[in-house]
Amino acid sequence: DGGITQSPKYLFRKEGQNVTLSCEQNLNHDAMYWYRQDPGQGLRLIYYSQIVNDFQKGDIAEGYSVSREKKESFPLTVTSAQKNPTAFYLCASSMAKDSYYGYTFGSGTRLTVV
Amino acid sequence: LAKTTQPISMDSYEGQEVNITCSHNNIATNDYITWYQQFPSQGPRFIIQGYKTKVTNEVASLFIPADRKSSTLSLPRVSLSDTAVYYCLDEGGSSNTGKLIFGQGTTLQVKP
Repeated sequence: DGGITQSPKYLFRKEGQNVTLSCEQNLNHDAMYWYRQDPGQGLRLIYYSQIVNDFQKGDIAEGYSVSREKKESFPLTVTSAQKNPTAFYLCASSMAKDSYYGYTFGSGTRLTVV
Repeated sequence: LAKTTQPISMDSYEGQEVNITCSHNNIATNDYITWYQQFPSQGPRFIIQGYKTKVTNEVASLFIPADRKSSTLSLPRVSLSDTAVYYCLDEGGSSNTGKLIFGQGTTLQVKP
């Protein structure tokens, strides 16, 4: 079955550490996105990529980095510069820039700073 | 900032029809209207999408008036499992920046 796989489902990070969240899709989608969700809030866009080897900052990119070396993969690194990284992180993909067919989301990674 | 406005919360009872209305005051000519559903600790799930008039699928109906400044998601005979957050968005078309902007959504609580 096609879909988006995020791993791990739960992640714990110590203060000052960098951590990388994985996002893989086998839908042959061109565009991929990372969102952050805090309790009781909507989703906020961190980074997005419309083609391989290209990505753009979203609304809250500070303290995060991404890469898009392969069409199927869009990993997100939460760096030590991110002051409040505890949140629920969601990855999504879509067929193309013109998203007439909707976006597909992964099941999320819950990151907790300990 | 989200482009849409919708109620923060709604309550309903099992078996009732629920209508959630969204305002799309800044919708562009080529934008489509899309609704997503999100359960706790899961990613949003695409429910329905339309451009104008009425669209119906196995899950819901979507009503869009001629001016496209609003949309109404209709859930027939809700059950407890329909308790979730519902988001409306207008994106796509030539105005699409390649990203979705989510508001806070409408939290629907279905009671027994």
